[in-house]
Amino acid sequence: GAVVSQHPSRVICKSGTSVKIECRSLDFQATTMFWYRQFPKKSLMLMATSNEGSKATYEQGVEKDKFLINHASLTLSTLTVTSAHPEDSSFYICSARDFNSYGDIQYFGAGTRLSVL
Amino acid sequence: DAKTTQPTSMDCAEGRAANLPCNHSTISGNEYVYWYRQIHSQGPQYIIHGLKNNETNEMASLIITEDRKSSTLILPHATLRDTAVYYCIVRLLTSGTYKYIFGTGTRLKVLA
Repeated sequence: GAVVSQHPSRVICKSGTSVKIECRSLDFQATTMFWYRQFPKKSLMLMATSNEGSKATYEQGVEKDKFLINHASLTLSTLTVTSAHPEDSSFYICSARDFNSYGDIQYFGAGTRLSVL
Repeated sequence: DAKTTQPTSMDCAEGRAANLPCNHSTISGNEYVYWYRQIHSQGPQYIIHGLKNNETNEMASLIITEDRKSSTLILPHATLRDTAVYYCIVRLLTSGTYKYIFGTGTRLKVLA
């Protein structure tokens, strides 16, 4: 199956700093990628849809100036958490949409655990 | 809001079939049903998807009722490694983009 790589897997930062998370589709091109957030023992919550070469579309209630998304190539999308605070601590997961012989499927990265001190 | 309803948790004996139900009574005619699973602290793993016909692959089978208002994921011979949270998702088309809206999922525990 298609592979999506997410980096870093874990990051600890001080309050007020910015953190960048990368999401790469390794063996396919993805015009559309997605960013999710997950709190402990909760389900995934869609944050935004990232489209190559255009602005991201954010879900209601997600601050676009806090969570900057860039999708500059067909294999890379980045999420930057700006001026991070403890309440931004969470598990962030990306996915990339692929059209293959199995159909139209989102493949997910392994996730990034962000801890803001 | 998620368009699916699943039981919160289920247990299954190792080696037996695990049958995970999902209700999606408001599904539209062209909306697909997808199943993923998430093992603790990892990203969701794709299992299977379908529109109206039953589907089978190397991981599981998907049975969709004729009225498409519910479906069942079947793991034919559950192993301890199948312990995970299983999500049933109806893919939605909103603002020109297909999106997954995750529900609460079913926490499957396979018992030795």
